[in-house]
Amino acid sequence: EVQLVQSGAEVKKPGESLKISCQASGYSFSTYWIAWVRQMPGKGLEWMGIIFPGDSDVRYSPSFQGQVTISADESSSSAQLQWATLRASDTAIYYCARSKTERGVDAYDIWGQGTMVAVSS
Amino acid sequence: DIQMTQSPSSLSASVGDRVTITCQASQDIVDFLNWYQQKPGRAPKLLIYDASNLEPGVPSRFSGSGSGTHFSFTITSLQPEDVATYFCQQYNNLPCSFGQGTKLEI
Repeated sequence: EVQLVQSGAEVKKPGESLKISCQASGYSFSTYWIAWVRQMPGKGLEWMGIIFPGDSDVRYSPSFQGQVTISADESSSSAQLQWATLRASDTAIYYCARSKTERGVDAYDIWGQGTMVAVSS
Repeated sequence: DIQMTQSPSSLSASVGDRVTITCQASQDIVDFLNWYQQKPGRAPKLLIYDASNLEPGVPSRFSGSGSGTHFSFTITSLQPEDVATYFCQQYNNLPCSFGQGTKLEI
C-alpha cells in the first residue's frame, strides 16, 4: 500500500526549533516529488514547497522561503520540514503529499495524515 | 503568483441535489487544475485532476470541467457522505495555489 505517515503532534514554545517528518512506503521514494502544505486553524490550504528526493531539488513558495527548510533522506524514505525559530503564527496542521506523477508540478494523490504543530508560550 | 477565487464559500443543499462549485484563476492555467475534498479532521483527498479527469476509485457523481481561467466542479446527486470542504488547486505555475475552499453542508 502506498502511504505517507507523518510524525506526531508537537507543542513548542516561541523561539524553539522543530523538525517534523513524513515517512513514505509502498513506492519508489526517490522518483516522486513530495510537497508540504500548511493549514492554519479553520483556514484553507497553503502550498509551502516541494522536494525531489532523488537529488534533493527543492522549490519554495516565496511566502515560506527562508522561514522553513525542506529536506529528504533517501536512506530512510523520509521527507522533513523544519523550523529554526518557531513563532506563534506557525501554529497549524502540516501535511505532506506525493505528486501523482514524476513531473513534480502536479496533483497530489497521496497525503499524510497531518502533523499538528502548536506554538505557544 | 496565480490567485484562485472559489465560489461560493459555503453552500447548503439537499440529498439528491446537483451542486456546482466554480473556480476562477487570475491568469490562464490551461487545464492544470485539480479538485480536492477535505472532510473534518482528515487530510485532503484528490477527486479530479487536470480539470476533468476522475481519480481512480472516486464515484462518478463527481465531475470537473473548464479550461483557461474558468473551471467548475459538480456533484450530480448529492449524498450525505459528501459533506466536506472542497478546494481547487492550480499547478500551471509555481508556487501552486489553492482556492479558499467551499464548505458544503446538507
